[in-house]
Amino acid sequence: QVQLLQSGAEMKKPGASLEISCKASGYTFSSYYIHWVRQAPGQGLEWMGLINPSDGGTNYAQKFQGRVTMTRDASTSTVYMEMSSLRSEDTAVYYCARVVFPYAHNYGMDVWGQGTRVTVSS
Amino acid sequence: QSVLTQPPSASGTPGQRVTISCSGSSANIGTHTVEWYQQLPGTAPRLLIYSDSQRPSGVPDRFSASKSGTSASLVITGLQSDDEAVYYCSAWDDSLNGNCVFGTGTKVTVL
Repeated sequence: QVQLLQSGAEMKKPGASLEISCKASGYTFSSYYIHWVRQAPGQGLEWMGLINPSDGGTNYAQKFQGRVTMTRDASTSTVYMEMSSLRSEDTAVYYCARVVFPYAHNYGMDVWGQGTRVTVSS
Repeated sequence: QSVLTQPPSASGTPGQRVTISCSGSSANIGTHTVEWYQQLPGTAPRLLIYSDSQRPSGVPDRFSASKSGTSASLVITGLQSDDEAVYYCSAWDDSLNGNCVFGTGTKVTVL
């Protein structure tokens, strides 16, 4: 079945970098944009950006530009989200999610990863 | 601070109808489609509605949505106990370099 499987929980110190993976299965990887969304404890959803797995093109939320990099490895159907200069406010659950339609970036996200819990603390 | 505003809470008894609003602007809801998500405690969000009013397969027809101008609404009819969740609207926003934005979220309580 269609699935996104994320890497496991992370504990990081302030100033460190983070990389989360999101492995897709059950569909044509290159056809569907992948978004990254995070949720701080007790807070709402926050969009971070997206990647086009077909050509690696990205669009980042203004808040994360310069600190977040999204990449993909088509050979393993995996997308990655790297964040640098971590601070305590980056403590959150991070989700990858697939867009409902192929070749489109601006519709709903119908398949979500299970989430990766990230804790940033000294 | 989100550019899409939702009421923080809504409630109803089983079988009742609940409406959740999502207020935006011409830069987002007024121009782009609206999606709605349901998030049960401790789980990833679930897509309920896309393209303003379309339900993905598997979503009960008790969930419906509409849009008018710069506002959108999600309606839950025949409220059930397992509808107790947080609901988010979402749209793209031209004022943020074409970024996606989520609403503030509405916690629905089944009394």
